[in-house]
Amino acid sequence: DVVMTQTPVSLPVSLGGQASISCRSSQSLVHSNGNTYLHWYLQKPGQSPQLLIYRVSNRFSGVPDRFSGSGSGTDFTLKISRVEPEDLGDYYCLQSTHFPLTFGSGTKLEIK
Amino acid sequence: EVQLVESGGGLVQPGRSMKLSCAASGFTFNNYDMAWVCQAPKKGLEWVATISYDGSSTYYRDSVKGRFTISRDNAKSTLYLQMDSLRSEDTATYYCARRTRFDYWGQGVMVTVSS
Repeated sequence: DVVMTQTPVSLPVSLGGQASISCRSSQSLVHSNGNTYLHWYLQKPGQSPQLLIYRVSNRFSGVPDRFSGSGSGTDFTLKISRVEPEDLGDYYCLQSTHFPLTFGSGTKLEIK
Repeated sequence: EVQLVESGGGLVQPGRSMKLSCAASGFTFNNYDMAWVCQAPKKGLEWVATISYDGSSTYYRDSVKGRFTISRDNAKSTLYLQMDSLRSEDTATYYCARRTRFDYWGQGVMVTVSS
């Protein structure tokens, strides 16, 4: 199984500041079709997860451009600029290149 | 507007069965792969199973293989998860989600396995 190592576990940030979350996979996430299936989600308290970024760097519909994704192969990053109160919650990465699909263990974004 | 609405959760004894449903609307259901994802209390997300758009292919995490069955009725735009031989470690909120990128999620349904 592909292990997704997500860091940090907890990320205190100031409102208006920047946050960066890392996700590393135990093997390459490049599919045989050339695509890389690495996605990012935010789960706000008491809510279902919501898709932020799909296939490394594509913002999902309605996601502000303060969110950006980057990376390749086994090393990926989610950046959040100008953090707002609505950004607080648990962030997860997911790889869907290989079955079984596997999530990172999560990063809690909280106010410093 | 895409909507996914789960139902069928509750309290069940270990070893018993339960069937979850997910009613989909707002999109052409039979065009999309669908999945179940679970989250144990205070824990992270875990993929459970995926079914292809036409039901011809299914995939499961190892811990549920042989016990859970994912299925779909495209005429009813409904996804199912039949859960047999339930264990205490299956206690979780179960979400249905669209596509293998999980672009839309339901609100979740709680399953508690306890005597």
